[in-house]
Amino acid sequence: GENVEQHPSTLSVQEGDSAVIKCTYSDSASNYFPWYKQELGKGPQLIIDIRSNVGEKKDQRIAVTLNKTAKHFSLHITETQPEDSAVYFCAASIPGAQKLVFGQGTRLTINP
Amino acid sequence: KAGVTQTPRYLIKTRGQQVTLSCSPISGHRSVSWYQQTPGQGLQFLFEYFSETQRNKGNFPGRFSGRQFSNSRSEMNVSTLELGDSALYLCASSLKGSPVTQETQYFGPGTRLLVL
Repeated sequence: GENVEQHPSTLSVQEGDSAVIKCTYSDSASNYFPWYKQELGKGPQLIIDIRSNVGEKKDQRIAVTLNKTAKHFSLHITETQPEDSAVYFCAASIPGAQKLVFGQGTRLTINP
Repeated sequence: KAGVTQTPRYLIKTRGQQVTLSCSPISGHRSVSWYQQTPGQGLQFLFEYFSETQRNKGNFPGRFSGRQFSNSRSEMNVSTLELGDSALYLCASSLKGSPVTQETQYFGPGTRLLVL
């Protein structure tokens, strides 16, 4: 069935350190994996995405890696800053439908 | 370019009532999807519309319905409200909503519904 598992559910890191959030998906046909950041009182905002034809993508301090064989993908944030504090969601596409299945979210707190 | 807008932002209803939420997609976007977000269930897909037609539907009861107008604006309706319908309802738009290329979905701020 359609399922995305996300770990950890909460993550606290010191400012300047790195943060890693991991997701596992169930449908091997999924081919698009976005990451969203949601701040209090706002809707999810896309921060980075990756498609199944690449293994890694980087945008400044943010990177995403994809292992299709293991059905894992991960978000890496380096040199974390207080404004990185938010809830992060991973998602996987459902083949044949404009539909995303989301992980349960990770509450990331950056400690100054 | 303006983002996805949703109205109203907050709503309080009582059990048994019905509610209509509105979503205006990014200009030029023709696909509109709706999601329900709750602390317990997370973000769950409700349905997706393209060119005034519902193309995909999630696992929600028939009390949840929607429609899309010719200008791509969309509404969702929940009838006979239950306490468990309290949630943040999010709308997302994409250009064509191609299930093949899987376009980026851009979310609005949501409508927070409280059912008493």
